[in-house]
Amino acid sequence: NAGVMQNPRHLVRRRGQEARLRCSPMKGHSHVYWYRQLPEEGLKFMVYLQKENIIDESGMPKERFSAEFPKEGPSILRIQQVVRGDSAAYFCASSPDELAFFGQGTRLTVV
Amino acid sequence: DQQVKQNSPSLSVQEGRISILNCDYTNSMFDYFLWYKKYPAEGPTFLISISSIKDKNEDGRFTVFLNKSAKHLSLHIVPSQPGDSAVYFCAASARGTYKYIFGTGTRLKVLA
Repeated sequence: NAGVMQNPRHLVRRRGQEARLRCSPMKGHSHVYWYRQLPEEGLKFMVYLQKENIIDESGMPKERFSAEFPKEGPSILRIQQVVRGDSAAYFCASSPDELAFFGQGTRLTVV
Repeated sequence: DQQVKQNSPSLSVQEGRISILNCDYTNSMFDYFLWYKKYPAEGPTFLISISSIKDKNEDGRFTVFLNKSAKHLSLHIVPSQPGDSAVYFCAASARGTYKYIFGTGTRLKVLA
């Protein structure tokens, strides 16, 4: 059973471009979470999704950020018109219940 | 509003001694607590958890203590090993929410 897979591991985008971060949860896990870690900070909750549904997006910035977890395929975190402040490590986690397993993260650098 | 706080950003401990990492929370609805360990450039790795019906959970060298009245939990590592050097995050959730609130982490350095 492979762990939570995130790709790409590193992503460089110019200001104004779009960033797409992918997360494949562990087999059998129906809960997916996205967290962001800014430099020298802890992990900040962004969004919690179940298949085809956003359950809690209270941590998502209101503009430019969106997330989905389609019936088929990975969960996608999409950041439109990236700015330098979006540079961070983005972690995805999945769980069957209360215990979440994290992926290796995607480090986004906006230049 | 920081609902989960780790007030010590760093901690240094001699190899073989006990490491104690602390975590405080403010939300009385939290009833499930976890500790994760994180190495640089890697994702957090689950270490140990405790639910609010218990006040102690032990797994090998790692023990987590929960004091509900003080809204405080701690992670004890004994004996500490150099490979334990990492950033440790505590996290809390309220049952049924599946939403984890993380502390800012404590960087543990175990000196050989």
